[in-house]
Amino acid sequence: DTAVSQTPKYLVTQMGNDKSIKCEQNLGHDTMYWYKQDSKKFLKIMFSYNNKELIINETVPNRFSPKSPDKAHLNLHINSLELGDSAVYFCASSRLSGRMTSYEQYFGPGTRLTVT
Amino acid sequence: SQQGEEDPQALSIQEGENATMNCSYKTSINNLQWYRQNSGRGLVHLILIRSNEREKHSGRLRVTLDTSKKSSSLLITASRAADTASYFCATSRSGGGADGLTFGKGTHLIIQP
Repeated sequence: DTAVSQTPKYLVTQMGNDKSIKCEQNLGHDTMYWYKQDSKKFLKIMFSYNNKELIINETVPNRFSPKSPDKAHLNLHINSLELGDSAVYFCASSRLSGRMTSYEQYFGPGTRLTVT
Repeated sequence: SQQGEEDPQALSIQEGENATMNCSYKTSINNLQWYRQNSGRGLVHLILIRSNEREKHSGRLRVTLDTSKKSSSLLITASRAADTASYFCATSRSGGGADGLTFGKGTHLIIQP
C-alpha cells in the first residue's frame, strides 16, 4: 500500500539511449511532480502536473518530457540521455487546495539513473 | 534559482542532545516546510509552517519562522540515533496554483550513540 511508487529503482544505461521512469500515487492527489537530486544532494523541481495540465516547466532540456495518462500517474521520459543526466529522480504528489495554498508533498523512493 | 540555504551543512551531536538547524530564503513565500531524507531514501515531510505563523510544534520538533529575516529554524529535542538523516527546508512560492517546492542544500545530521 505504498503511497507514491516509482519504477525502476535503479537504471543504468548508455549515452544516447531513451528511457522512461514511471510514477504512481494512490493518495488521490491531483498534483504530481518530478524532482532531480544531483550528486551534491541538491533537489530541483522539474515539472508538475495538475489535472493533466502542465503547471510548471522549469528550464530543463526538452529531452525530458512528462507524460500523465491519468491523475494517478506521471511518467518521465528522457530522450538521448547524456552523462549529466545521471542523478536521482524523485516523483512526488500533493493535494491542491485553493490558489494560495500548497500542501505537503509525498515523495516516492527515487530512481537512481546512471548514464555511462 | 536556489531558494533556501541550510546552516550548518553538517551537524554531529550526542544522543539525547538537542539539534538546531537553520534555513534562510530569498523571496516571499506562502509556506515553508521541513523534510527529512534518510540515506538512499525519498523525502519525508516533517512539518509545514505558513507565512502568517511564527512557531509550530510537532512531537519533538519545533519550527520557527521569521519572515522579516526570511529565516526558519528546526529544533529536534532529545535526539535519537534514528534522527540521523539529511534535513531540508523547502519553500512554496506565492502566486497560487500547483507549486513545486524550492529546496535548500540540506543539513546532514549525525546522532552519535
